[in-house]
Amino acid sequence: EVQLVESGGGLVQPGRSLRLSCAASGFTFDDHAMHWVRQVPGKGLEWVSGISWNGDSVGYADSVRGRFTISRDNAKSSLYLQMNSLRAEDMALYYCAKDICSGFDCYYYYGMDVWGQGTTVTVSS
Amino acid sequence: QSALTQPASVSGSPGQSITISCTGTSSDVGSYNLVSWYQQHPGKAPKLMIYEVSKRPSGVSNRFSGSKSGNTASLTISGLQAEDEADYYCCSYVGSKDVFGTGTKVTVL
Repeated sequence: EVQLVESGGGLVQPGRSLRLSCAASGFTFDDHAMHWVRQVPGKGLEWVSGISWNGDSVGYADSVRGRFTISRDNAKSSLYLQMNSLRAEDMALYYCAKDICSGFDCYYYYGMDVWGQGTTVTVSS
Repeated sequence: QSALTQPASVSGSPGQSITISCTGTSSDVGSYNLVSWYQQHPGKAPKLMIYEVSKRPSGVSNRFSGSKSGNTASLTISGLQAEDEADYYCCSYVGSKDVFGTGTKVTVL
């Protein structure tokens, strides 16, 4: 079964850091680009970041660029999001998602076909 | 980069067809055939319905179809069913990043 399981969310004070993880299984992880997407309860989806299959190409939303860093460990089939200088507006449910495109010439912009259930980040003093 | 513009709500009766628009600019929707559509039911993770403007993933009903004209992409649901009632989001590549639409609530009357 193709599965993504996020972890690492929790309560953090403004200005502090948090690292999210996403464990993948059931597919060849290093064949696919990956994404982080967030959603404030009751609000819309916001794309946060994407990374190519080998980590050489990354992208960020303007709202997080310079504060968040996406990375992956293909040997561990894991995706990460290092979040620094957290703000109240970063509070959301964070989803990990797999890109549908498979292969070495695929990047993080074709479509997100597998999603985890999300991990909640709460930023509050 | 601002979110792509979608109507807040669209409704239709069972069996009817509805179309949801997703309006961007010449820098995003108009420049790339990299528009995807997602369905999200309350409390659930989003589900990919259409990718690369008009391609359907395996397992998605052929009642769902996508198209694009200029800076506007569209998702059409034909033969509307009760289970289609959900929120729908478009997403487009914008050059080094992706951006979602504002979201559309589809109501089946």
